Amino acid sequence: ETGVTQTPRHLVMGMTNKKSLKCEQHLGHNAMYWYKQSAKKPLELMFVYSLEERVENNSVPSRFSPECPNSSHLFLHLHTLQPEDSALYLCASSQESRAGNEQYFGPGTRLTVT
Amino acid sequence: LAKITQPISMDSYEGQEVNITCSHNNIATNDYITWYQQFPSQGPRFIIQGYKTKVTNEVASLFIPADRKSSTLSLPRVSLSDTAVYYCLVVPISGGSYIPTFGRGTSLIVHP
Repeated sequence: ETGVTQTPRHLVMGMTNKKSLKCEQHLGHNAMYWYKQSAKKPLELMFVYSLEERVENNSVPSRFSPECPNSSHLFLHLHTLQPEDSALYLCASSQESRAGNEQYFGPGTRLTVT
Repeated sequence: LAKITQPISMDSYEGQEVNITCSHNNIATNDYITWYQQFPSQGPRFIIQGYKTKVTNEVASLFIPADRKSSTLSLPRVSLSDTAVYYCLVVPISGGSYIPTFGRGTSLIVHP
């Protein structure tokens, strides 16, 4: 399924690097999301963009910075990350950002911080 | 936020019915209950969603008792390809902010 694509699929970065994750959805949806999936932890919502509104989980550190230039593209800018930020970062989209709207997930970016 | 509890793992055999129960004791009145399936190296995939009583689609059924403090995902006649992690989550209905709460997932292994 190629409705939601993410690049890169794997990323290794040092703690002083700056990198960006990219997500693109081809489904005509109005909402896009970033999730973090760590081993042995529940899936954690980081950010939601719905039309022009951004919702964020207040527990997300400022070293993660999202950008949503339009309804089809979503970025996650990373800087001065910590080893505990190593995880699978998943992007998703849905028609609208509320219950009743099925989310479509991309394959994820496996991030390793060294 | 609702606290979600679900079994860590379950085992079954091909052709059997599998029921995975999720506990969400402090679910809010404006929360929906949703289940996703995730295979290794893939993102989660939507299975089913409901608010109360029973919902059925082509792949599963969802049973929700009147108090909505738990829900049961039922997979009829599982096959080897149903081996995956199943996530229970509650999702607010409101059209504004959207912060779902996920369970830790149940790893289902289907044996031949």
